[in-house]
Parts: sequence; C-alpha cells; structure tokens
Amino acid sequence: NAGVTQTPKFQVLKTGQSMTLQCAQDMNHEYMSWYRQDPGMGLRLIHYSVGAGITDQGEVPNGYNVSRSTTEDFPLRLLSAAPSQTSVYFCASSFLWTGLPYEQYFGPGTRLTVT
Amino acid sequence: AQSVTQPDIHITVSEGASLELRCNYSYGATPYLFWYVQSPGQGLQLLLKYFSGDTLVQGIKGFEAEFKRSQSSFNLRKPSVHWSDAAEYFCAVMYSGGGADGLTFGKGTHLIIQP
Repeated sequence: NAGVTQTPKFQVLKTGQSMTLQCAQDMNHEYMSWYRQDPGMGLRLIHYSVGAGITDQGEVPNGYNVSRSTTEDFPLRLLSAAPSQTSVYFCASSFLWTGLPYEQYFGPGTRLTVT
Repeated sequence: AQSVTQPDIHITVSEGASLELRCNYSYGATPYLFWYVQSPGQGLQLLLKYFSGDTLVQGIKGFEAEFKRSQSSFNLRKPSVHWSDAAEYFCAVMYSGGGADGLTFGKGTHLIIQP
C-alpha cells in the first residue's frame, strides 16, 4: 500500500514551458486534491475532484488544468509556466463523508522552480 | 469567507517542556477541525481531528487538542516535547454543509526545540 505518490520530486522549468505533475493513490479514495505551498501562505487549494470525471476549481486555479479519468490518478497540468508558479505542490486524497473529505492523506510533494 | 488564524509564526520550546499551539477559526456552522504536522522536506501528516463528541481529542505522537466553541479555538497541546517534534504545524477547518473545497488551512506555526 503505497498511499499517495507524486512524481517528479523536483522539477525546473523555463517560463512558457508546460508540464504535468503526476499523482496517484491506491486507497480507492473518491476525493483527490492539489495544493500549492508558498512560504508564509500555508496551503492553498488549486483543484479538486470528488470522483472520476468530476473536477472543480479551488482557491487558486489560474494557470492549471486537471482531469480525472480514473479513481487512482489525478494529474496537474501547467499550461504555460510562469515564475509565480514556483512552489511546492502537494496532492492529497480522502474518502468522502457527507460529501466532505474526511481525512486527507498527502503525498511527499513536488518542488517546482520556474526560471 | 472561512478563515483559520495561527497567531504564532514561530515558537521555541525546550526539550521536555510542555507545548501549546494556538488555532482560532472563523465562526460558522458546525466546524470540523484538524491539526497536521509537516517535517522538513516532507508531506503533511494528520495528527488529530475533531468532528463531534468529546471536545478533548487524542492524536498520534502524544498530541491532544481541545475544541472550545465559545472561543472558536482548537489549540494543540503536548505535555513534554521531544527533539523530533520540531516541525511545521498546520491547523485546518471545514464546515458541515460546506462544499468539498471547504478545507481551509492556517499559515502554520514553526516549532523549534531547544536542547
């Protein structure tokens, strides 16, 4: 049982490049989410999904795309990287309880630098 | 909008001393409250959560937290800290009847342990 896995661990991009951050979970959780963590800002929700084929925006969705074709995977796409997207990205998953994420399990994070 | 305040950005405690980390949340419907810990370079790990019932909640690693509705607080405590407790601690809240995007994190408290 690997829990929540994220790849890559580190990535450097040039401004304007695109890339996909991968996230997978093996706990059969309906709910998956992406956060970014910036110094002094805590964690801010980018996008989330309550099941395969269902995604929605969080607090800071601009510049990011997601899709959820399977229960296990929830990739995050950066369409055209900008220096403001330099951050640490965390994926999390949870089963749902009355429509809410009951207890989120976090991946180890991806540290992204955009130059 | 819901919010979480962690008034202390940094706290320094001597090893073996007691610890209390403060968390206040904005008033709303029935709150569901969480404390997470993040060790350097790691993802977040859930320490404890409050959904209902006994307002004193026991968690992992010897931590506990007390929900006080009258003070809108959910402070984290430990009677005797160990050097391995040095980490970043995040309080988070979501509300009954809120959306699945409703988990809001505080900005974190950095705990330093002095030998």
